[in-house]
Amino acid sequence: DAGVIQSPRHEVTEMGQEVTLRCKPISGHNSLFWYRQTMMRGLELLIYFNNNVPIDDSGMPEDRFSAKMPNASFSTLKIQPSEPRDSAVYFCASSFRYSGYTFGSGTRLTVV
Amino acid sequence: GIQVEQSPPDLILQEGANSTLRCNFSDSVNNLQWFHQNPWGQLINLFYIPSGTKQNGRLSATTVATERYSLLYISSSQTTDSGVYFCAAETGANNLFFGTGTRLTVIP
Repeated sequence: DAGVIQSPRHEVTEMGQEVTLRCKPISGHNSLFWYRQTMMRGLELLIYFNNNVPIDDSGMPEDRFSAKMPNASFSTLKIQPSEPRDSAVYFCASSFRYSGYTFGSGTRLTVV
Repeated sequence: GIQVEQSPPDLILQEGANSTLRCNFSDSVNNLQWFHQNPWGQLINLFYIPSGTKQNGRLSATTVATERYSLLYISSSQTTDSGVYFCAAETGANNLFFGTGTRLTVIP
């Protein structure tokens, strides 16, 4: 398996623009997680899905953030409109029951 | 949520030295993982170890669930071991809580 695949690897956008991050989990994994990493807050969970259903989105910072998982092999995290404070590395991870989490390579987002 | 504390926060080793990293957690866990974040930012899963001991090459990990701690051993360290080591714990709510990490620098 190719692991968890995220795209793009880097994204630079202007404040106010819409940003869409993409994730393909490992085949067979039934849970998918979106994390954000910043120097100030470390790694924090934004939202997770179980069997494509959003279970807990309490970590989503505000209404500008939304996430979808239309099928078992694809998820998106959208920020609209983006702000400079959204600059961070966004990780997607997937897991299956007690196998542990596997993380993608992350998307480094810079909002100028 | 569960509190995860790691020590030491920073560690500098001479190549070839051994080290032990510690992770304390505040509640019973059903998932305890160790990750290595390399200098390129990638999070590599090292161990899934809610209890017991596992070994993988020069690395091994032990979790004593009843005493709420886990240890990561690195033997014969190499410069490629440099990076940040994270411990992360989950109590069953499908939220993996991360510690603040141990930044390891291995010098040749």
